[in-house]
Amino acid sequence: AQRVTQPEKLLSVFKGAPVELKCNYSYSGSPELFWYVQYSRQRLQLLLRHISRESIKGFTADLNKGETSFHLKKPFAQEEDSAMYYCALNAGGTSYGKLTFGQGTILTVHP
Amino acid sequence: DAGITQSPRHKVTETGTPVTLRCHQTENHRYMYWYRQDPGHGLRLIHYSYGVKDTDKGEVSDGYSVSRSKTEDFLLTLESATSSQTSVYFCAIRGPSYEQYFGPGTRLTVT
Repeated sequence: AQRVTQPEKLLSVFKGAPVELKCNYSYSGSPELFWYVQYSRQRLQLLLRHISRESIKGFTADLNKGETSFHLKKPFAQEEDSAMYYCALNAGGTSYGKLTFGQGTILTVHP
Repeated sequence: DAGITQSPRHKVTETGTPVTLRCHQTENHRYMYWYRQDPGHGLRLIHYSYGVKDTDKGEVSDGYSVSRSKTEDFLLTLESATSSQTSVYFCAIRGPSYEQYFGPGTRLTVT
């Protein structure tokens, strides 16, 4: 069975500082990995997917299969980045598109 | 928002009463999902559907049932609500690359 671990429940940084939200996964196959963001009392929004290797709102994430990690990074945090962030994994194949989520990390960016 | 709505958005109910939450989508997506969101647990899959009348259990399905009689609607029923089912419930659909898009959520309180 697959598992996603986000070791930090809370992460605080100051505006302009770099930020890294950690995500580790366990899965024997080739996963599809995603980052979702949830602003206060809003719906979850897709932030990044590893297959597209894109940068959204200044965030990037690289899949490291050797370390089974998919950490989310931003070089200069902004106050509007304050939110809950979830890492999620899809096992592909016959999983019917089900996602396994990490427990989430609350990011607070102080002015 | 991928054309996903949920109703009601907020509900307070008493222990032992039945409750039905509705998820409606307008874009003919085949796969739909129900999650609950709780602090410290992230999002956990309750049930999912891979077509009309095709549903299956997720990791936290006890006390919940679902129905999907037409493509656009996926209903989640709490047969006899308990306080442990106080949560925020999210519906989601699957996009073309295994990503999911979420509804606005339903905040349910069982007193």
